[in-house]
Amino acid sequence: AQSVTQLDSQVPVFEEAPVELRCNYSSSVSVYLFWYVQYPNQGLQLLLKYLSGSTLVKGINGFEAEFNKSQTSFHLRKPSVHISDTAEYFCAVSDPGGYQKVTFGTGTKLQVIP
Amino acid sequence: GAGVSQSPSNKVTEKGKDVELRCDPISGHTALYWYRQSLGQGLEFLIYFQGNSAPDKSGLPSDRFSAERTGGSVSTLTIQRTQQEDSAVYLCASSNGQVDSEGYTFGSGTRLTVV
Repeated sequence: AQSVTQLDSQVPVFEEAPVELRCNYSSSVSVYLFWYVQYPNQGLQLLLKYLSGSTLVKGINGFEAEFNKSQTSFHLRKPSVHISDTAEYFCAVSDPGGYQKVTFGTGTKLQVIP
Repeated sequence: GAGVSQSPSNKVTEKGKDVELRCDPISGHTALYWYRQSLGQGLEFLIYFQGNSAPDKSGLPSDRFSAERTGGSVSTLTIQRTQQEDSAVYLCASSNGQVDSEGYTFGSGTRLTVV
């Protein structure tokens, strides 16, 4: 069975500072990995995904994530955050086979401080 | 439609009453998922529909929960005899069946409050 661990429930960071949101997964098979963002009172929106190929994945709004198979991690980074990045971020994993049910982590609330 | 539509956006109900939550997926999406998001929790998988296949109900927390998908399109999640612990945001998502192409598209959710 797959699982996702997001180690930090909340991350405060000052505006224009860099940020890293951590995600580790466990799976006995190869995986697809995702980051979703949820702005206040909205549904989830796909930020970026790793399917195969280059381990560095770039997404929307200047975010990127790096797939590290040996450490089973898929940390999300942004070199300079904006107030508008304040949201909850969910890491997720899917099995490439089967019907590809996506398993989500518990989320990390990013609070950007002016 | 252009996105996944859920209704109602908010629902307050008395303990013991039944509720129905509706999801209208993106036209042509064959896969539909229901998740539950409770305060401080991640997204809890509830049920999955794919085309005409039997749904995966493995995430439904009790027999008070059921879901249907009529005609391969609109889905209804029904909670019978609601309890306070059912209070949560219920999210619906759809995909074209190939999650690697675009991931899920989520609706804005139904916030259920059981009083």
